[in-house]
Amino acid sequence: TQLLEQSPQFLSIQEGENLTVYCNSSSVFSSLQWYRQEPGEGPVLLVTVVTGGEVKKLKRLTFQFGDARKDSSLHITAAQPGDTGLYLCAGYSRSNTGKLIFGQGTTLQVKP
Amino acid sequence: DTAVSQTPKYLVTQMGNDKSIKCEQNLGHDTMYWYKQDSKKFLKIMFSYNNKELIINETVPNRFSPKSPDKAHLNLHINSLELGDSAVYFCASSQNRGFQPQHFGDGTRLSIL
Repeated sequence: TQLLEQSPQFLSIQEGENLTVYCNSSSVFSSLQWYRQEPGEGPVLLVTVVTGGEVKKLKRLTFQFGDARKDSSLHITAAQPGDTGLYLCAGYSRSNTGKLIFGQGTTLQVKP
Repeated sequence: DTAVSQTPKYLVTQMGNDKSIKCEQNLGHDTMYWYKQDSKKFLKIMFSYNNKELIINETVPNRFSPKSPDKAHLNLHINSLELGDSAVYFCASSQNRGFQPQHFGDGTRLSIL
């Protein structure tokens, strides 16, 4: 069974601080996706990383895929209250059925 | 204008009742999904259809029955509702069943009294 472990589960920080969220597995994933979910809404895709060692930037968010394609991280620089939300990593299972496996999520609160 | 829309947004009902949730996508995608998000925010796949064909059927009680009348619609019918069915149910779609981004609806919050 492929599993994704996310840490930390909860994070409460002050505006302007930096933070990193981790997504780890003992399995290799062909790609990993990061989603953000706000209260009362569905998850929205932020980024997909495909190549081992790949780094992608989205404004103040930096996403990295591990060299062995078993882990990923999300780093936010100078967090803002608008970054508050639930961050989910997800990877597609090896079988090509479109089954997306989600991590448990990281709830981020950025206080002004 | 909404890409993936599901109705109703809230569903409050008694234990033992039967209810349905509807989902429609206007993205022209071939694949649609149902997910369950529990109180700890964990999202788990329940079903997936590709061009009206069932391709993922996780270990879900057979009280849950998905139906896809066409590739733009995927409905979820639940019989004999139980307390443990209380959750937020999300519909999603993707271009095909490969390694594609998924587009989610805003969820249906089901509360069983």
